[in-house]
Amino acid sequence: AQTVTQSQPEMSVQEAETVTLSCTYDTSENNYYLFWYKQPPSRQMILVIRQEAYKQQNATENRFSVNFQKAAKSFSLKISDSQLGDTAMYFCAFMKQAGTNAGKSTFGDGTTLTVKP
Amino acid sequence: AAGVIQSPRHLIKEKRETATLKCYPIPRHDTVYWYQQGPGQDPQFLISFYEKMQSDKGSIPDRFSAQQFSDYHSELNMSSLELGDSALYFCASSYDRGVFGYTFGSGTRLTVV
Repeated sequence: AQTVTQSQPEMSVQEAETVTLSCTYDTSENNYYLFWYKQPPSRQMILVIRQEAYKQQNATENRFSVNFQKAAKSFSLKISDSQLGDTAMYFCAFMKQAGTNAGKSTFGDGTTLTVKP
Repeated sequence: AAGVIQSPRHLIKEKRETATLKCYPIPRHDTVYWYQQGPGQDPQFLISFYEKMQSDKGSIPDRFSAQQFSDYHSELNMSSLELGDSALYFCASSYDRGVFGYTFGSGTRLTVV
């Protein structure tokens, strides 16, 4: 079974600064997908960024980028130029590409990020 | 753009009652997922459907059942409710079995008293 670990329960950052959220995972799979989801206080989860394990290039979506280290099974999220609207709980998620439970995402415990003005 | 619609948004039930949660996925999405999220916790997978057939089952109690109908909407039925069932229940949908990520609904907040 896959496990996803987010070692930082809470983090804070000043507005306009950069913050990195950590995520590690454990799997014996070679092909899989990794995601970061954001859950603002309004509670609906929103997909932030996605990474395919077979791609070495790190995914980037505007101010959000990842540092994907496949050998180390690490998938951190960097938020640049933090904005007050980035305040939310962030979940890292793992999904197998094929076989049993393919399509089912396993989530980490989440990191609560507070952006301070 | 159409989103995943869940109803009701809030539900209060007494112990031992039954609750039915509904989910309307994004059109043309082929997979629906149900997750349970306790306060301050990560979402726990309950069950999923691919093209209206159950595809995976997680830590779903036997008191819970779910199905996906011909119009692709899904319902989660919860019977003999317990206090511990109080949680946020999310439905999500995806296409291509989730490889591009999920689109979540706003959730149903179930409170069992």
